[in-house]
Amino acid sequence: TQLLEQSPQFLSIQEGENLTVYCNSSSVFSSLQWYRQEPGEGPVLLVTVVTGGEVKKLKRLTFQFGDARKDSSLHITAAQPGDTGLYLCASKYNNNDMRFGAGTRLTVKP
Amino acid sequence: KAGVTQTPRYLIKTRGQQVTLSCSPISGHRSVSWYQQTPGQGLQFLFEYFSETQRNKGNFPGRFSGRQFSNSRSEMNVSTLELGDSALYLCASSLASWNTEAFFGQGTRLTVV
Repeated sequence: TQLLEQSPQFLSIQEGENLTVYCNSSSVFSSLQWYRQEPGEGPVLLVTVVTGGEVKKLKRLTFQFGDARKDSSLHITAAQPGDTGLYLCASKYNNNDMRFGAGTRLTVKP
Repeated sequence: KAGVTQTPRYLIKTRGQQVTLSCSPISGHRSVSWYQQTPGQGLQFLFEYFSETQRNKGNFPGRFSGRQFSNSRSEMNVSTLELGDSALYLCASSLASWNTEAFFGQGTRLTVV
């Protein structure tokens, strides 16, 4: 059973469209990280959210942490082909190992 | 500042052999974690080392082992390789065991034939 549930699993859109991907858990996160991974490479850290209700922006990417710190979303505005990749959410439970969601595989077509 | 370096990038081994993978963390980082990534299972935690001590271990058989040296560099070893061990093995470094932000290397792609 995945501790972190990500949806959708796959997403294919046209350049210029907006999209939102989700990360949910039944547990409360102390913090949550979002990563992007390109084929054949390691995940690259995009952002860390810590406070319930927090919103962080990274250019066209907007990250939101749920008020109860059990869920998070990533919204991309005007997606570009360079946004293509596997988006992973991750969290450390009780200072133990980092757990990852299964990821959302995003394809942005030109 | 150099990132996380993993060697080798690619490796092909036959069943029954053993393999050692290496990871050099970011300078100043003392925690190193290892992950196995496969299309079916996603990113699975193997183990974490901090100050040369294994702090956490995932649900993998004893064929998977690791160690960390005094300079924080880490190695992982897989003995008696099986076909199912074919995967991308990723190393991540953090400042300390309790830090939540991890920085990954490019991984070692292991193929077992």
